[in-house]
Amino acid sequence: ETGVTQTPRHLVMGMTNKKSLKCEQHLGHNAMYWYKQSAKKPLELMFVYNFKEQTENNSVPSRFSPECPNSSHLFLHLHTLQPEDSALYLCASSQTGGKNTEAFFGQGTRLTVV
Amino acid sequence: AQTVTQSQPEMSVQEAETVTLSCTYDTSESNYYLFWYKQPPSRQMILVIRQEAYKQQNATENRFSVNFQKAAKSFSLKISDSQLGDTAMYFCAFSYTSGTYKYIFGTGTRLKVLA
Repeated sequence: ETGVTQTPRHLVMGMTNKKSLKCEQHLGHNAMYWYKQSAKKPLELMFVYNFKEQTENNSVPSRFSPECPNSSHLFLHLHTLQPEDSALYLCASSQTGGKNTEAFFGQGTRLTVV
Repeated sequence: AQTVTQSQPEMSVQEAETVTLSCTYDTSESNYYLFWYKQPPSRQMILVIRQEAYKQQNATENRFSVNFQKAAKSFSLKISDSQLGDTAMYFCAFSYTSGTYKYIFGTGTRLKVLA
């Protein structure tokens, strides 16, 4: 498999549930990102990891907990979410310092909090 | 703060015609990159075209070209010979580096190509 893969594609969870989103990139990139995409809003950058180290936490509530065990995998652990957290969550990767400066995206996880 | 503004929430164009999507951005950086991404209903964000700020020449990629006006902080996308498969959300994005690349996106323009 190539590119950036996200699982699951769809997730429905209750406000008291705990779930995790997974992202895997097969591009040899060193940076990975979580974005939240809500209707009529710009993509919101949530977290950035560079060489497994978190370099950005964009004031994200603690009910979202990222984990980056290595440069190829990124998780987003979800706990006691609110209905307003329902959105499309996109994972991306990029190679910092390289010639290819663009981010590559996964297909996203559509999250519904009920 | 860096911001990206897309003032056209929706646009439509007839098949085979040309359409231009607008984007403006605000930054105090001198070295940065600009991108247009396409997001079809499949939700996969796909890079359409990119422009390095230090390059004066406008980028082109087959039917897609940009008009980059650095002084005006404007970065529009022109799609020539529009095709039905061009129907999608188009996002303008900006990136700079501060140890890593951060990508800032606009709100998007929904483009519909009409048969």
